[in-house]
Formats: sequence, C-alpha cells, structure tokens
Amino acid sequence: NAGVMQNPRHLVRRRGQEARLRCSPMKGHSHVYWYRQLPEEGLKFMVYLQKENIIDESGMPKERFSAEFPKEGPSILRIQQVVRGDSAAYFCASSQRRGSGTDTQYFGPGTRLTVL
Amino acid sequence: DQQVKQNSPSLSVQEGRISILNCDYTNSMFDYFLWYKKYPAEGPTFLISISSIKDKNEDGRFTVFLNKSAKHLSLHIVPSQPGDSAVYFCAASANTGNQFYFGTGTSLTVIP
Repeated sequence: NAGVMQNPRHLVRRRGQEARLRCSPMKGHSHVYWYRQLPEEGLKFMVYLQKENIIDESGMPKERFSAEFPKEGPSILRIQQVVRGDSAAYFCASSQRRGSGTDTQYFGPGTRLTVL
Repeated sequence: DQQVKQNSPSLSVQEGRISILNCDYTNSMFDYFLWYKKYPAEGPTFLISISSIKDKNEDGRFTVFLNKSAKHLSLHIVPSQPGDSAVYFCAASANTGNQFYFGTGTSLTVIP
C-alpha cells in the first residue's frame, strides 16, 4: 500500500537551470496538490490538479513555475531558470476527493531543492 | 496574510504529562481542521481532524478541541511520549475552496 511518492528526494541545481519534481499520488487518488515550505515557514499552497486539469493555481508564482498531471504518469512541478530563492522543500499531497470538506490530504516525503 | 496561526514556535513537556498545542484562525468560512505531525526530512503525516459541526474529536492519546466563536483549536496529547517529539502543523480548509491553509508549526519536545 504505497503512499504518495516523490522523486527525487534531493535536487541540486545551479541558477538558471530547470528543476523537475515528480509526484505519484496514492493509489485511488485523483487529486494532487503541491505545497512549498520555505525555511522557518509553514507549508504554502501552490497548485491543485486533477488528471489533465489544473483546478486552482492561485498559489503558483506567475513566472517560471508550471505544473501538470497527465492522464498517464506522475504529476510534474517544473521550475524554469531557477534562482536561489526557489530553494525550499516541495511537498506533494493527494486525496480521493477535493481536498476540503471532510476529505484528507496525504503527503509525500518531499523534494528538497537547493539552488547554488 | 496568515489565515492560520500557531503562535508558539516551540513547546517542551515532560514525558507522561499533557502537551497542548494551540492554533488560531481568522477565516470564518473554514469548516474543516486538521493536525499534521512532521519529522525532519519527512512529509507531514495526518494525525487527526475535526469538522466544524463538532467541538471535540478524540483518537487514542490525541484530542482536538474546536472553539468556533473564538476561532481557536487545540491539540491535546496525553500522556506525552518521547516519540511525539516533532513539528505539529495545524491546517484549515473551507468547503468552498480547494486548498488547506497551514500554520507555521510548533516544535514539540517531549523530555524523557
């Protein structure tokens, strides 16, 4: 009974490179959420996706960040031309239904991105 | 705009005593509240939740209390154990929304 899987667990990039973070939701879950945790801060919502649809990207920076959840395969969070301020832990969560109301989001172990 | 606040960044408790972690929120539309526990280098783990139609929910050593008029909830752990040492995040959501709003966390240390 695999939980939410994220890879890589650690990612190091130089400024200007691209970062790709992957998330496979729990079996049976079709809703995926990405959160970012900056040092000394709580988790901040970035984007909510269902298969092939972005439902809510109100927390995503307007530039350089994009997310997708294709029909087949994991959800991808992509950061283009990374800057030092992108260094953070990125967590993916999944749920069976929309993640509010009485549903619960289950989190992956996170990807720690370090930008040199 | 921090809609969920955990004003105590850290808490130390003796083993066997009660741990009380507090959380305040500002959005009256929030109707579902959760506590997550997080160990270093791991993702948050769901602990316990409560709907706004209740004022208390209990699961073993963990009890969450909700005071809607004060927009306040708390997590009680009794008796506290060293393995409970972790960062605890409070989260809230509204049925009309898509996301959970998280507090900044309280680091609990249970001293043996």
